[in-house]
Amino acid sequence: DQQVKQNSPSLSVQEGRISILNCDYTNSMFDYFLWYKKYPAEGPTFLISISSIKDKNEDGRFTVFLNKSAKHLSLHIVPSQPGDSAVYFCAASGSGNTPLVFGKGTRLSVIA
Amino acid sequence: EPEVTQTPSHQVTQMGQEVILRCVPISNHLYFYWYRQILGQKVEFLVSFYNNEISEKSEIFDDQFSVERPDGSNFTLKIRSTKLEDSAMYFCASTFTDGGQETQYFGPGTRLLVL
Repeated sequence: DQQVKQNSPSLSVQEGRISILNCDYTNSMFDYFLWYKKYPAEGPTFLISISSIKDKNEDGRFTVFLNKSAKHLSLHIVPSQPGDSAVYFCAASGSGNTPLVFGKGTRLSVIA
Repeated sequence: EPEVTQTPSHQVTQMGQEVILRCVPISNHLYFYWYRQILGQKVEFLVSFYNNEISEKSEIFDDQFSVERPDGSNFTLKIRSTKLEDSAMYFCASTFTDGGQETQYFGPGTRLLVL
């Protein structure tokens, strides 16, 4: 039962270029979406979120795009830096304090 | 910057033993969560806790699991009789919300190994 899917297990990008991480979801009740970054042996670190009433949210080098009709969101990192190398998790929740449902993650490697 | 803390960072136990994992959520947060991640798998929700009671739990959270907020700061997850398949990273998270959409902030995790 994969309600949140990250179909690319890994992605390699050159330093300075754009990284695009994708996420698809199936549950139309989701209305809040988040991206977390995770280093080995650490907890997920919140990066950026977007509410279903928006289609874009930007924070510095990070931008999240939401396409509700396609049930798809993406995280853009530009320019990519070697310190961005980590596993990125997409997560979604319904309204209120409902639990997060996570994707399997995408391992991003930014090559200098 | 306030953060969620968890202890211990690692725990090794024998099958059948009880373990208690501890978390100190961010001080003004009201909702607390436990998640786990089995090696190579996705992060999975276990339980949420609000106002001193469980608000939601997953099918993973069976009778072997319990949660408690024994004082004003700690939030604990107890596994009464550990099984091999309980080996995982356990993450605590917390959020401050009045019912709107709020971000859950995660602790660094406890790596539990059941032998």
